[in-house]
Amino acid sequence: EAGVTQFPSHSVIEKGQTVTLRCDPISGHDNLYWYRRVMGKEIKFLLHFVKESKQDESGMPNNRFLAERTGGTYSTLKVQPAELEDSGVYFCASSNRQGPPHEQYFGPGTRLTVT
Amino acid sequence: AQSVTQLDSQVPVFEEAPVELRCNYSSSVSVYLFWYVQYPNQGLQLLLKYLSGSTLVKGINGFEAEFNKSQTSFHLRKPSVHISDTAEYFCAVTKYNFNKFYFGSGTKLNVKP
Repeated sequence: EAGVTQFPSHSVIEKGQTVTLRCDPISGHDNLYWYRRVMGKEIKFLLHFVKESKQDESGMPNNRFLAERTGGTYSTLKVQPAELEDSGVYFCASSNRQGPPHEQYFGPGTRLTVT
Repeated sequence: AQSVTQLDSQVPVFEEAPVELRCNYSSSVSVYLFWYVQYPNQGLQLLLKYLSGSTLVKGINGFEAEFNKSQTSFHLRKPSVHISDTAEYFCAVTKYNFNKFYFGSGTKLNVKP
């Protein structure tokens, strides 16, 4: 069974540009999560999809971030326009059921550098 | 709100020595606790989790953790580490019927020969 995949693995962009990160969850997983880790700090929750619906987007930093999950399969996270403070590692995770607490399967992350 | 503190950002240890990685949490409600490990260039992998029952939880690769409610801790231990345990370890908490995890800032374990 393929794990969670993320593309690209690295992205370097200039301030003001747009970047789109992609996450492919494990097949059949309805729940998809985005997290972000800013350099050396904790991994922070961004949002949670159940199929194509946003269940919780309380962690999204601001309206420069747009997440979509068309058709309930893969998800994209677009940052437009990117700012320096958006640099970090963006993790995607998926799971096949909701509570009680369960394991989330994480991808390798996308390292975003904004210069 | 939940928060997680991993006091040690880096822990150097010699091979075959014991190790303890510390994790403390704060929460006003009952929580569920996890340890994840990230090997270089890989995603986070679940090591172990505490949901209920015995406070001593055993995980993969010989790791174990003990839930201590009075001290709000969930320290990770291994009696004898191997070079291959070199990785970054993350403690995480969530609560019942709650889907987002709160993570600590991570502890880099560096096992030296």
